[in-house]
Amino acid sequence: TQLLKQSPQFLSIQEGENLTVYCNSSSVFSSLQWYRQEPGEGPVLLVTVVTGGEVKKLKRLTFQFGDARKDSSLHITAAQTGDTGLYLCAGANDYKLSFGAGTTVTVRA
Amino acid sequence: KAGVTQTPRYLIKTRGQQVTLSCSPISGHRSVSWYQQTPGQGLQFLFEYFSETQRNKGNFPGRFSGRQFSNSRSEMNVSTLELGDSALYLCASSLAPGGTTEAFFGQGTRLTVV
Repeated sequence: TQLLKQSPQFLSIQEGENLTVYCNSSSVFSSLQWYRQEPGEGPVLLVTVVTGGEVKKLKRLTFQFGDARKDSSLHITAAQTGDTGLYLCAGANDYKLSFGAGTTVTVRA
Repeated sequence: KAGVTQTPRYLIKTRGQQVTLSCSPISGHRSVSWYQQTPGQGLQFLFEYFSETQRNKGNFPGRFSGRQFSNSRSEMNVSTLELGDSALYLCASSLAPGGTTEAFFGQGTRLTVV
């Protein structure tokens, strides 16, 4: 059973469109991390959010941590083909990271 | 600086055999975590080692074991392989344990059990 549920599981959009990926849990986390993984590679950390209600922006990517520190979202503005990949959220508590199943994002040219 | 190195990159084993995977963390990192990644289950936490001690363990059978050496390099062993053990095995290194600091992942070892 996944502690963190990500939605949607798959997302296919045209270049230039916006997208949002959600990460939800009934557990409270001390921090939440977002990773992107490309085929044949390990996940690469994009951002860590720590404070409830926190919003972080990384160029065209906006990350939000829920007020109760149980959920998070990732919003990409004007997606590019280079944004294609598997997006994973991971919550830290009890001295370990628990990962969601991931959202596969495909950006078509 | 050099990243996390996992060897081998690919392995094919037969049911019933055992396998050992290796992970060399980033220099200075003392925490190494292992994950199993499959299409259906995503990343599942196996265990974490910090300064040669297992700090945390996931819900995997005892066939899965690991250890960490004094130079922080870690090995993972799977005995009596089953078809369901086919997966990408990832290790991640970090400065501190427990997901409190950034985790850097290796490229993984793709294990196929036939």
